[in-house]
Amino acid sequence: EVQLVQSGAEVKKPGESLKISCKGSGYSFTSYWIGWVRQMPGKGLEWMGIIYPGDSDTRYSPSFQGQVTISADKSISTAYLQWSSLKASDTAMYYCARVPLTGPPNWFDPWGQGTLVTVSS
Amino acid sequence: QSALTQPASVSGSPGQSITISCTGTSSDVGSYNLVSWYQQHPGKAPKLMIYEGSKRPSGVSNRFSGSKSGNTASLTISGLQAEDEADYYCCSYAGSSNVVFGGGTKLTVL
Repeated sequence: EVQLVQSGAEVKKPGESLKISCKGSGYSFTSYWIGWVRQMPGKGLEWMGIIYPGDSDTRYSPSFQGQVTISADKSISTAYLQWSSLKASDTAMYYCARVPLTGPPNWFDPWGQGTLVTVSS
Repeated sequence: QSALTQPASVSGSPGQSITISCTGTSSDVGSYNLVSWYQQHPGKAPKLMIYEGSKRPSGVSNRFSGSKSGNTASLTISGLQAEDEADYYCCSYAGSSNVVFGGGTKLTVL
């Protein structure tokens, strides 16, 4: 079974750093992109960026460029999303999802269970 | 890029058909047949329902269908069932490795 399992919920203070993870199993991790999607409380989905774990080629949404860093370690089939200095506005659910390599990135399946990040003083 | 435009809510009775629209621009929906649709139940992760405009993943009911005309894509659900009540999001490739989602539509089954 293809699965993406994300790290657990986090509670952080403004200014702190954070790195959350997404581990793939049941498929060849280097045969797909991994994408990250944000969902703020009560709001819709926002595409953040994608990474190809084979060579760490990364593409960011213009809205998130410079705000987060996406990385991957293909040796352990894991992708990461990290912040160097969290803000209260980073409070959201973050999902990872698999994206096919063939053609432009345009669909996400399956999705991880989500990681809830809460930033509060 | 701006989010794709979806109606905030739609509703229908069991057995009926409903259609959710997703309006973009000539830079995204209008330029590519690369629209996908996701179903999200409360507290759950999104689930892929349609990809590349009209293709259904294995395991998704054939009551779900997708289409596109110009800058507007549509998701149609026929034979509405109570379990279809959820939020639905469209998504389109927008060029230069960018992807854009719609604002989401809440489907209520009356």
